[in-house]
Amino acid sequence: NAGVTQTPKFQVLKTGQSMTLQCAQDMNHNSMYWYRQDPGMGLRLIYYSASEGTTDKGEVPNGYNVSRLNKREFSLRLESAAPSQTSVYFCASTEGGVPGSPLHFGNGTRLTVT
Amino acid sequence: EDQVTQSPEALRLQEGESSSLNCSYTVSGLRGLFWYRQDPGKGPEFLFTLYSAGEEKEKERLKATLTKKESFLHITAPKPEDSATYLCAVQFRYNFNKFYFGSGTKLNVKP
Repeated sequence: NAGVTQTPKFQVLKTGQSMTLQCAQDMNHNSMYWYRQDPGMGLRLIYYSASEGTTDKGEVPNGYNVSRLNKREFSLRLESAAPSQTSVYFCASTEGGVPGSPLHFGNGTRLTVT
Repeated sequence: EDQVTQSPEALRLQEGESSSLNCSYTVSGLRGLFWYRQDPGKGPEFLFTLYSAGEEKEKERLKATLTKKESFLHITAPKPEDSATYLCAVQFRYNFNKFYFGSGTKLNVKP
């Protein structure tokens, strides 16, 4: 059972380049999330999709866009990468609407912007 | 204003030395509090969900408890393989689609 799969695992970009981070889940979850994790700052929510066809901003959405392609897939796009976007990006999913249903995470994409 | 605070930031224990990690939250209307374990280079792995004050959950050497404003993760007789970063997250009734994370406690258990 794959759970949440993220690609790529590592990426190095130059300032101004664009890229898309891919995420897919096979648990039939309704809700999907993108977080970034930086040292000492914990996990911060970038965008989430409560259900197929909807997306909402989180705490730190500036510089990012998302697409909920279908129920399984949720992508994160950096249109013009900046060094401040160097981070580890995690995708997560949950059933949604079920009290206490936890987030299930992928293993992350480690992004460096030079 | 931080909604979820974890302490300590780092904890070093000898094998067998029991201790507790703390997670406190400032907003009322808790829907769920979650504990995760994160190993280096991996995503967080779910451990427990707690719903209401007084509730306790156990798994091997770990026991999580919940009061009205904080949760504790008690580690009894830890082993080196318990070394990891432990994260807590809260989900509130006013927006149950969002999960708010603390910055974690990095636990190092020495043999």
